Amino acid sequence: DADVTQTPRNRITKTGKRIMLECSQTKGHDRMYWYRQDPGLGLRLIYYSFDVKDINKGEISDGYSVSRQAQAKFSLSLESAIPNQTALYFCATSDYRVGTQYFGPGTRLLVL
Amino acid sequence: GEDVEQSLFLSVREGDSSVINCTYTDSSSTYLYWYKQEPGAGLQLLTYIFSNMDMKQDQRLTVLLNKKDKHLSLRIADTQTGDSAIYFCAEIPGSTDKLIFGTGTRLQVFP
Repeated sequence: DADVTQTPRNRITKTGKRIMLECSQTKGHDRMYWYRQDPGLGLRLIYYSFDVKDINKGEISDGYSVSRQAQAKFSLSLESAIPNQTALYFCATSDYRVGTQYFGPGTRLLVL
Repeated sequence: GEDVEQSLFLSVREGDSSVINCTYTDSSSTYLYWYKQEPGAGLQLLTYIFSNMDMKQDQRLTVLLNKKDKHLSLRIADTQTGDSAIYFCAEIPGSTDKLIFGTGTRLQVFP
C-alpha cells in the first residue's frame, strides 16, 4: 500500500463550488504539506502543518483552507473554486528533515 | 527573493550524458536537493548534497555544487529512456523551514 494517498485522483468541478481534497499517510510523520503544480512554475506551497495543532500559510494560500484532522490526515478545501485553481495538487509528508519529503500521487483538478 | 531557476526542457540521446542545471538564491542553504517526477506520479527524492561539499556521486548520478555562483547541477551518465521525467532542484533557505522548489526541467530521452 502507498505511504501517502490522495483522494480523489481526478476531479472536475464548476466555478463557485466547494470541494475538498484529502490526504492520508501511514509514515507516522508529523509534518504535512499541500502544493500545487503548474507547468513552468514548479511546485508552490499552499499550506503546511508541523503537527496537529499547527497550521501555516505557504506562498499561495489565498482561496484555500486546510484542516489537520489527525496526525495522518490533512485536507485541502477550495471554498469557492475558480478556473485559475485548475492545477495538479500534491500532498507531502516529512519528519523533522524538511528536505526529505514523501509525495502522494497527486489530484488533477479542473475548474470549469 | 527565493526563486530557484532551471531551464524548462532538455533532450538527449539514449546513452549520452544529461546535465540539468539549477541556480538558487540563498547562500545559507545547508542542503540542496534533486527530486524526480515520473509521468503521472508524485515527486521522489533522488539525491541531495550538503553545502560544504563540491561533489557527490551516486551510481549514475553526479551532483556538482558551486557555492560561489550558487549553481547546482545534476549529471546523469548513460541516460536511459526510464530517466525521462521532470527533475526539480530544491533548497531550504536559511531563514525558513520550507522547501523551495525550482521550476523543473523536463528531460526527454530519445533512442
